[in-house]
Amino acid sequence: NAGVTQTPKFRILKIGQSMTLQCTQDMNHNYMYWYRQDPGMGLKLIYYSVGAGITDKGEVPNGYNVSRSTTEDFPLRLELAAPSQTSVYFCASSYLRDVQETQYFGPGTRLLVL
Amino acid sequence: AQSVAQPEDQVNVAEGNPLTVKCTYSVSGNPYLFWYVQYPNRGLQFLLKYITGDNLVKGSYGFEAEFNKSQTSFHLKKPSALVSDSALYFCAVRDYRGSYIPTFGRGTSLIVHP
Repeated sequence: NAGVTQTPKFRILKIGQSMTLQCTQDMNHNYMYWYRQDPGMGLKLIYYSVGAGITDKGEVPNGYNVSRSTTEDFPLRLELAAPSQTSVYFCASSYLRDVQETQYFGPGTRLLVL
Repeated sequence: AQSVAQPEDQVNVAEGNPLTVKCTYSVSGNPYLFWYVQYPNRGLQFLLKYITGDNLVKGSYGFEAEFNKSQTSFHLKKPSALVSDSALYFCAVRDYRGSYIPTFGRGTSLIVHP
């Protein structure tokens, strides 16, 4: 299993540009998450999904959109990039089965908005 | 509501000495508690979790954590630190009766000196 994969690894955007961060998992997990990590701030939840076709906002959803058309994929869309969105983005997944709910994280996407 | 606190931004320890990384939590019901580790330029990796049962939980790489309900703490410990343990450590909690989404602490940077 490849686990959770994310693309791209690094991207530079100009203010106002848009892009999609890709996330794919091959573990048949039902839950998927997007986090951003800023220095000294820990992980902030952007959006999450409990299954295909179901998404919900996390703590910091403004400026982002998501979709979940399949179990495997959970892309994160930035429509109008702003400098405040400079961060490292992590996708994660988990399988809610009784209490077995360890999260598996991707390697991250480093985004710089200039 | 659920929350978690990691009171130390950084912990310094000499190689071979015992280490402790602190975590306290707040939930309205019973907690599910997790520790994750993040090595430089990598995603988070699961270390260990407490769901129920023994208060002392053993995890990967020789780490263990002790659940203390009266002190609402879940400190991460290792008897003898290695330089390779240097990383960022995150504690996470969720209330077993609440949302299935865990809350992460801000992270503690562990530096092990040779």
